[in-house]
Amino acid sequence: DIVMTQSPPSLSVTLGQPASISCRSSQSLVGSDGDIFLNWFHQRPGQSPRRLIRKVSKRDSGVPDRFSGSGSAIDFTLNISRVEAGDVGVYYCMQGTHWPVTFGGGTKVQVK
Amino acid sequence: EVKVVDSGGGLVQPGGSLRLSCEASGFTFSNYAMNWVRQAPGKGLEWVSYISTTGSVILYADSVKGRFTISRDNAKNSLYLQMSSLRAEDTAVYYCVLEAFDYWGQGTRVTVSS
Repeated sequence: DIVMTQSPPSLSVTLGQPASISCRSSQSLVGSDGDIFLNWFHQRPGQSPRRLIRKVSKRDSGVPDRFSGSGSAIDFTLNISRVEAGDVGVYYCMQGTHWPVTFGGGTKVQVK
Repeated sequence: EVKVVDSGGGLVQPGGSLRLSCEASGFTFSNYAMNWVRQAPGKGLEWVSYISTTGSVILYADSVKGRFTISRDNAKNSLYLQMSSLRAEDTAVYYCVLEAFDYWGQGTRVTVSS
């Protein structure tokens, strides 16, 4: 199975400052058709996860443009340009290129 | 509006069985593959099972293979997860999730304990 390694495990960010979360896969996530199925999710305390980014960099509907995804093959990054209070929670990366689907361990974001 | 509602969780003894259900609305259920994903208390997300639109393709995580059975009833817009031989490590919130992981249910809690 592909292992997704996220760093850092936790992050404390000043309101209005940027944040960056890294996700590395144990194998290339480039599929046979050239697509990379790398998603990012945000889970607030007590809520279900919400998908933010699909296919590395495509923001989902309603996701503020403060969130951006980048990367290729095995290294991926989620950037938040200016952290807001509602951004607290845990962020997960997930690869869907190869079965079984696997998730990163999560990055807990706190706002100070 | 797309909606998936999970139900059926509860407290069950080790070795016992439980059937989870997921009722979908707001989209053509029969056109979408579905997944179950779980989250143990204080832990991360773990994919559990996948079923294709017609049920012809079914996949399981190694941790549940041989014990869990996924199924669907397209006429009832419903997804199911039959869980048997339950273990303490199956304790988690179970989410019904659409094919592309873009829509998630609210989760149903399963606790395996004596």
